[in-house]
Amino acid sequence: AQSVTQLDSHVSVSEGTPVLLRCNYSSSYSPSLFWYVQHPNKGLQLLLKYTSAATLVKGINGFEAEFKKSETSFHLTKPSAHMSDAAEYFCVVTLSWGKLQFGAGTQVVVTP
Amino acid sequence: DTEVTQTPKHLVMGMTNKKSLKCEQHMGHRAMYWYKQKAKKPPELMFVYSYEKLSINESVPSRFSPECPNSSLLNLHLHALQPEDSALYLCASSQLAGGSETQYFGPGTRLLVL
Repeated sequence: AQSVTQLDSHVSVSEGTPVLLRCNYSSSYSPSLFWYVQHPNKGLQLLLKYTSAATLVKGINGFEAEFKKSETSFHLTKPSAHMSDAAEYFCVVTLSWGKLQFGAGTQVVVTP
Repeated sequence: DTEVTQTPKHLVMGMTNKKSLKCEQHMGHRAMYWYKQKAKKPPELMFVYSYEKLSINESVPSRFSPECPNSSLLNLHLHALQPEDSALYLCASSQLAGGSETQYFGPGTRLLVL
């Protein structure tokens, strides 16, 4: 069975400092993994997607994530946080027939 | 263009009202989805349409009635809702349903049931 665990419910960073959002997954086969971002009162925007082509995945807005099979992790990073990065972030794994398994979400707060 | 549009943005309805939510995409996607999202929670899948046919109903109460008139349009008809149905309703679409397909989400309709 597939599942995903986001290890931090809240992350607070200062503007200009690195951001790390942690995600562990469980899958009985090679999964497809996503990170989505949701700004307040908005829909979900795709940041990046892993589908086994490359373990380091680059996304939009300077975000990237590394797939580590040995650690069953798919952590999201950004070298320098911007105020506009304040949002909710979801790590997601695909199930079957169009179903997605969402993590509980990580709220990111960026302080000036 | 990866845009999914939803109307209305906001909706307030009484428990005896009938209303509809609309979702549209012009990416040629053949799978469309309805999700419900409560505050501070991830989205929960409600329905999946594949090639305009309902393929998944996640045991959603019958007061929610989906409809897919064509491959670009998805509706959610609402009737006799309860206050606990107040939430953000998100529509999404993908090329196909399943596998590694990416789902693209609309901005949502914020529903308040009084």
